[in-house]
Amino acid sequence: QKEVEQDPGPLSVPEGAIVSLNCTYSNSAFQYFMWYRQYSRKGPELLMYTYSSGNKEDGRFTAQVDKSSKYISLFIRDSQPSDSATYLCALISNDYKLSFGAGTTVTVRA
Amino acid sequence: GAGVSQSPSNKVTEKGKDVELRCDPISGHTALYWYRQSLGQGLEFLIYFQGNSAPDKSGLPSDRFSAERTGGSVSTLTIQRTQQEDSAVYLCASSLAHSLSNEKLFFGSGTQLSVL
Repeated sequence: QKEVEQDPGPLSVPEGAIVSLNCTYSNSAFQYFMWYRQYSRKGPELLMYTYSSGNKEDGRFTAQVDKSSKYISLFIRDSQPSDSATYLCALISNDYKLSFGAGTTVTVRA
Repeated sequence: GAGVSQSPSNKVTEKGKDVELRCDPISGHTALYWYRQSLGQGLEFLIYFQGNSAPDKSGLPSDRFSAERTGGSVSTLTIQRTQQEDSAVYLCASSLAHSLSNEKLFFGSGTQLSVL
């Protein structure tokens, strides 16, 4: 079993829809939670970063962490075609080990 | 430079040949990471540098893989006697420091390696 599980999709939604992405993890040592966005032929770029359970908002993006369930989510409101990318969750354990999910490919149709 | 620079962007090689992949991190970033990304597999950790030393080489898949970093800056990942299963995108990332609260990684665009 992988430490971090993420459904690779692909996920296709119409413009304006809410995109819901999630990851589950098995290691309770993970303390920091991040979402990276990766456009085609580019490296991943950090989108959201949080360390506590609860919600964190940044514009159209909301990251949600539930440590008790070992479940993290990313929501994209009012999705745009420019949001089409692969989204990877990334988790850091307290020994600094960084683990990535497999990434979910999202397409927002105009 | 403004960002992490990797070269070459694409490399096609024949099975059995050696390849060198280069990473130029953001100036001042002490931590440098190499990852491998295969289709549908996510990012696989290879090696991490703090300055010129590599405290964690645990992700290197075999002894055909090696990496070095000189002057606390440029890093080279070398794959000897390449195999077809080495085909992947090799990503380099750097960060200001290796710590829980400062682990914002800046990635390069990667080197697409194809072994024929």
